[in-house]
Amino acid sequence: SQTIHQWPATLVQPVGSPLSLECTVEGTSNPNLYWYRQAAGRGLQLLFYSVGIGQISSEVPQNLSASRPQDRQFILSSKKLLLSDSGFYLCAWRGSYYGYTFGSGTRLTVV
Amino acid sequence: GENVEQHPSTLSVQEGDSAVIKCTYSDSASNYFPWYKQELGKGPQLIIDIRSNVGEKKDQRIAVTLNKTAKHFSLHITETQPEDSAVYFCAASIIQGAQKLVFGQGTRLTINP
Repeated sequence: SQTIHQWPATLVQPVGSPLSLECTVEGTSNPNLYWYRQAAGRGLQLLFYSVGIGQISSEVPQNLSASRPQDRQFILSSKKLLLSDSGFYLCAWRGSYYGYTFGSGTRLTVV
Repeated sequence: GENVEQHPSTLSVQEGDSAVIKCTYSDSASNYFPWYKQELGKGPQLIIDIRSNVGEKKDQRIAVTLNKTAKHFSLHITETQPEDSAVYFCAASIIQGAQKLVFGQGTRLTINP
């Protein structure tokens, strides 16, 4: 069966520090991968998506970047965090079916 | 691009009553409409979805209806139970290529015992 792993679950980082969030999918190959951000009490905003290794598309200009070094690995990064980067970050994948499967999320607090 | 509006933002119903959440979308090319349930501190979970070639779909106490002409779709939950309390999101996308889901702002549903 397919599973998605996302870590860490929570993270508190100072302003100006780097960020690396990782997401991996098991049990499938060549999935579409997505990073969403959810601000407190709000909807889900698509940040990046990838349809294959090394293929990254950005939806919103921002302080973040994404990479897909392996077929089932998706990484969200920042060189210098801003206060506005705080939020709940969700990774998702889509295989042959239309629906997304989300990971459990990372709650990032920038202080 | 696609824009999805969701109403209401909060909804409180008595246990056993029905709950209805409504969404409208802007892109007439969208042909896939899922609904997600998000419990506190967790990632959203797909609860039901519908494609544009179907007007209604039902799964036990949950149903979704789609009106392509008016570009709106709704989630219906009957015989609500306390465990239905959560935030619900609608979304829309085109089934091709990257298939980017655009989400509504969410509805916080509270079931009162």
